[in-house]
Amino acid sequence: SQKIEQNSEALNIQEGKTATLTCNYTNYSPAYLQWYRQDPGRGPVFLLLIRENEKEKRKERLKVTFDTTLKQSLFHITASQPADSATYLCALDLGSARQLTFGSGTQLTVLP
Amino acid sequence: DGGITQSPKYLFRKEGQNVTLSCEQNLNHDAMYWYRQDPGQGLRLIYYSQIVNDFQKGDIAEGYSVSREKKESFPLTVTSAQKNPTAFYLCASEDGGHGKNIQYFGAGTRLSVL
Repeated sequence: SQKIEQNSEALNIQEGKTATLTCNYTNYSPAYLQWYRQDPGRGPVFLLLIRENEKEKRKERLKVTFDTTLKQSLFHITASQPADSATYLCALDLGSARQLTFGSGTQLTVLP
Repeated sequence: DGGITQSPKYLFRKEGQNVTLSCEQNLNHDAMYWYRQDPGQGLRLIYYSQIVNDFQKGDIAEGYSVSREKKESFPLTVTSAQKNPTAFYLCASEDGGHGKNIQYFGAGTRLSVL
């Protein structure tokens, strides 16, 4: 059965450093992978989508990589700020079923 | 002001009671979803609807029911058969254009049992 794993522990980093979050998956060949941000008590907000034929995608201070051989996506936040503190979820499509499956998320805290 | 509106923000259920969570969207999206989120866990799919008057069970549909009579509305009923309903419930609609499946979420409803 399909499985998605994100950094299971919370991640604490110092302001100004680069945060790197990991999303690993098994038994999938997704057409694309998405990253969402979720603040406490709120719904997730879409950040970035990367397709299977793309190696890297950037948006402002955010960068996502997608390695279909390793079955892994890395999500980077450069020059991190305390406002970046949140839980970040990765999500994969199930292709023809047109459903997203979400990981459990990584809680990021950026310390001032 | 476009988006997904969920209500109420907080809801309390008594033993043996059915309660209904509202979800409305004005994004003109065909597909809508209901998820349940428990502390420290990811989103689990309860039901989804890809078009009006049609819906499908997700991974954890037991004890829940939905309807999709209008494109804009996808209410979720938590029935008395759901023995552990305490959770954060999220509704989403989907922009399926260009095969992207990007989902837009409401602010959620937190359901507790009295």
